[in-house]
Amino acid sequence: LAKTTQPISMDSYEGQEVNITCSHNNIATNDYITWYQQFPSQGPRFIIQGYKTKVTNEVASLFIPADRKSSTLSLPRFSLSDTAVYYCLVGERKREYGNKLVFGAGTILRVKS
Amino acid sequence: DTAVSQTPKYLVTQMGNDKSIKCEQNLGHDTMYWYKQDSKKFLKIMFSYNNKELIINETVPNRFSPKSPDKAHLNLHINSLELGDSAVYFCASSQEVRLAGSPDTQYFGPGTRLTVL
Repeated sequence: LAKTTQPISMDSYEGQEVNITCSHNNIATNDYITWYQQFPSQGPRFIIQGYKTKVTNEVASLFIPADRKSSTLSLPRFSLSDTAVYYCLVGERKREYGNKLVFGAGTILRVKS
Repeated sequence: DTAVSQTPKYLVTQMGNDKSIKCEQNLGHDTMYWYKQDSKKFLKIMFSYNNKELIINETVPNRFSPKSPDKAHLNLHINSLELGDSAVYFCASSQEVRLAGSPDTQYFGPGTRLTVL
């Protein structure tokens, strides 16, 4: 399973767009990129998933360049309620083991005072 | 109407004891998981069950035994608890959309914080 690298922490002002970049240099052809969000004292929650180019939903956008060696999660307007740990995961669903999510250390996103 | 629920939320026990954590999902999913999140916040998969059949067992000590009485429940029993078992344990579920391809979205429970004294 491809390894991912993300910043340990980021601070942002409320109202600003926040971009978290994840590196996955050894991503495989069939791998997808998935982001989860974890609030304090809660379980992770799915945010967005993509394979290439750009994906947008009501919560965030995911930008994936053509070489797919990195991806950027974009939160359009950061608010205090977005304070959480954000995990970037890379992998695919396989017949022999189904889903196997491998979580890295994640990025702690905090409000800048 | 909680989608994935776990009980208890907190569990404090002595070393050497045996304890169980229960998980139930009302989403109609056919796959359930157990994850362990240690003090450094690393989240690691332990087990995965699909329709009551074990499909992932990530080199977890055999003191940990998952039990799936039906596809809506996946309980975790831990024998002879050790200090290193202290962590937050998360249950999750997903619906198998296809056999291969994009990972299915997993829905996590609120977690059970286990403290072994």
